[in-house]
Amino acid sequence: QKEVEQNSGPLSVPEGAIASLNCTYSDRGSQSFFWYRQYSGKSPELIMSIYSNGDKEDGRFTAQLNKASQYVSLLIRDSQPSDSATYLCAVILSGGSYIPTFGRGTSLIVHP
Amino acid sequence: GAGVSQSPSNKVTEKGKDVELRCDPISGHTALYWYRQRLGQGLEFLIYFQGNSAPDKSGLPSDRFSAERTGESVSTLTIQRTQQEDSAVYLCASSRTVSGNTIYFGEGSWLTVV
Repeated sequence: QKEVEQNSGPLSVPEGAIASLNCTYSDRGSQSFFWYRQYSGKSPELIMSIYSNGDKEDGRFTAQLNKASQYVSLLIRDSQPSDSATYLCAVILSGGSYIPTFGRGTSLIVHP
Repeated sequence: GAGVSQSPSNKVTEKGKDVELRCDPISGHTALYWYRQRLGQGLEFLIYFQGNSAPDKSGLPSDRFSAERTGESVSTLTIQRTQQEDSAVYLCASSRTVSGNTIYFGEGSWLTVV
């Protein structure tokens, strides 16, 4: 069983729509969760982190964490073509190791 | 520096040669990570350093791979007797502390083994 799972996509949404990206994790004791964006040929860049259940908003981005159901999601409002990228979910699993485990990423395409 | 700095940005090497990749973390960041990303694939953890503690080498794929870090400064990832399957981008990241803190990536070192 993979520890951090994401649908590889591609997820295609029209410009202006809400894009919803999901990530599930296997370790119930995980405490730290991150979303990164990776443009083709570039390194991952942080979008936001979330540590507590509920929603966390930053501009057009909202991260949602549900530890009971072991999922974390990222909503992108008013999607723009420039949001087209691969979105990586990262989780610091419990057990004393502080190494983020990454999902394979979801490819998002925002078409005009 | 302002961000994580990696060099070289691109390296083409012949099969069987050794390569050395360098990472300079963000100033004040005690934790340093190396990941590998093959084309079209996810991030694969290689090794992690935290201060002066023994590194976590659990992700290194073979004994051809090694890494060093002096204190809380520069790290070097060495790949000996490179193989074609070593072709990938090698990403270095650093964080201020280990306790749930965000890691920030460098631009990566793109390695091509021919």
